[in-house]
Amino acid sequence: DAGVTQSPTHLIKTRGQQVTLRCSPKSGHDTVSWYQQALGQGPQFIFQYYEEEERQRGNFPDRFSGHQFPNYSSELNVNALLLGDSALYLCASSALPTTTNEKLFFGSGTQLSVL
Amino acid sequence: DQQVKQNSPSLSVQEGRISILNCDYTNSMFDYFLWYKKYPAEGPTFLISISSIKDKNEDGRFTVFLNKSAKHLSLHIVPSQPGDSAVYFCAATDYGGSQGNLIFGKGTKLSVKP
Repeated sequence: DAGVTQSPTHLIKTRGQQVTLRCSPKSGHDTVSWYQQALGQGPQFIFQYYEEEERQRGNFPDRFSGHQFPNYSSELNVNALLLGDSALYLCASSALPTTTNEKLFFGSGTQLSVL
Repeated sequence: DQQVKQNSPSLSVQEGRISILNCDYTNSMFDYFLWYKKYPAEGPTFLISISSIKDKNEDGRFTVFLNKSAKHLSLHIVPSQPGDSAVYFCAATDYGGSQGNLIFGKGTKLSVKP
């Protein structure tokens, strides 16, 4: 059973560019959350998608947007990249509404470097 | 302003001894707390949790203690094993046990020496 898969694993972009990160949830999961982990920091919640809609959002600017597809996979888009967007982006999947935070499964992340 | 604080960036413990990892929080609305473990090049994995209505939760070698009045929780690992070497994150939420936005601390890197 494949867990949460993210692509690509590493990415290098320059300031001002746009980037799309992808996530496939664990089999049987229908909810995807995205977190940003900057160097030396803990993961910070970006948003959560369920039934193809943004269900919750953290304190991130509109440059960060997302999408969920009918097969429950998800994309994270970041526009007008800044140096400060360099971070590990983690995707986590779960099954709403019955499961709890204990059933949140994380992928290995995409390491984004903005030069 | 950090709502969840892990003030020790690192901790080194001898194999077989107890590891104690600490976490403080500032938001009194938090009602559910979790600990995650993260190995390099892997995503965080859930370890143990505790609801604010309890003061202790135990799972094998892992015990989490919650002191609500002090807004402090700790994770005890007894006995510590080399395989426990990882970064440990404390997380909190005000969604109870349900799905919700998790607020993480910065993590504590635990090294267990043989």
